Amino acid sequence: NAGVTQTPKFQVLKTGQSMTLQCAQDMNHNSMYWYRQDPGMGLRLIYYSASEGTTDKGEVPNGYNVSRLNKREFSLRLESAAPSQTSVYFCASSVTRDYEQYFGPGTRLTVT
Amino acid sequence: GENVEQHPSTLSVQEGDSAVIKCTYSDSASNYFPWYKQELGKGPQLIIDIRSNVGEKKDQRIAVTLNKTAKHFSLHITETQPEDSAVYFCAASDSGGGADGLTFGKGTHLIIQP
Repeated sequence: NAGVTQTPKFQVLKTGQSMTLQCAQDMNHNSMYWYRQDPGMGLRLIYYSASEGTTDKGEVPNGYNVSRLNKREFSLRLESAAPSQTSVYFCASSVTRDYEQYFGPGTRLTVT
Repeated sequence: GENVEQHPSTLSVQEGDSAVIKCTYSDSASNYFPWYKQELGKGPQLIIDIRSNVGEKKDQRIAVTLNKTAKHFSLHITETQPEDSAVYFCAASDSGGGADGLTFGKGTHLIIQP
């Protein structure tokens, strides 16, 4: 039981490049989330998926797109990376809303 | 939307003493309040949570209190140990129709002095 896994762990992009961050959970959770963490800012919700086939914007969705590929997988895509997207990205999952969210180990992204 | 304020941003206590971290929230509809601990290089991990129908919850050395009227909740750690050193985040969630994700405070860096 691996919990929540994220790939890659580290990534460096040049401005304008695109990439997809992958997330998978093996706990049969319905809800999945993408957060970004910046120094002194806590964690901020980018997008979430309440169930397979649904996605909704969070607090800071601009510049990102998501896909809930199936119940296990939830990916985050940066179409044209900008330096302001330099951050640590965390994926999380929960049985449903208002239950414990389990976080992955994070992806550290640097955009130059 | 919800706004969560967390204080202090840094807290240094002597090993064996107690530590208290406080949070306030703005949305009276919020009804779920978890606390997360984050160690360096890792994702946040839930340590305790409380729902709005409960005023206090305790788990060994950790306790959380909730005052719905004042819209604030606190984390209490007693008999602190070196392994308690980490960043702690409070969060709030509204299950009544708001976004499904949590709104986090900005974190408290807890330092346990030997």
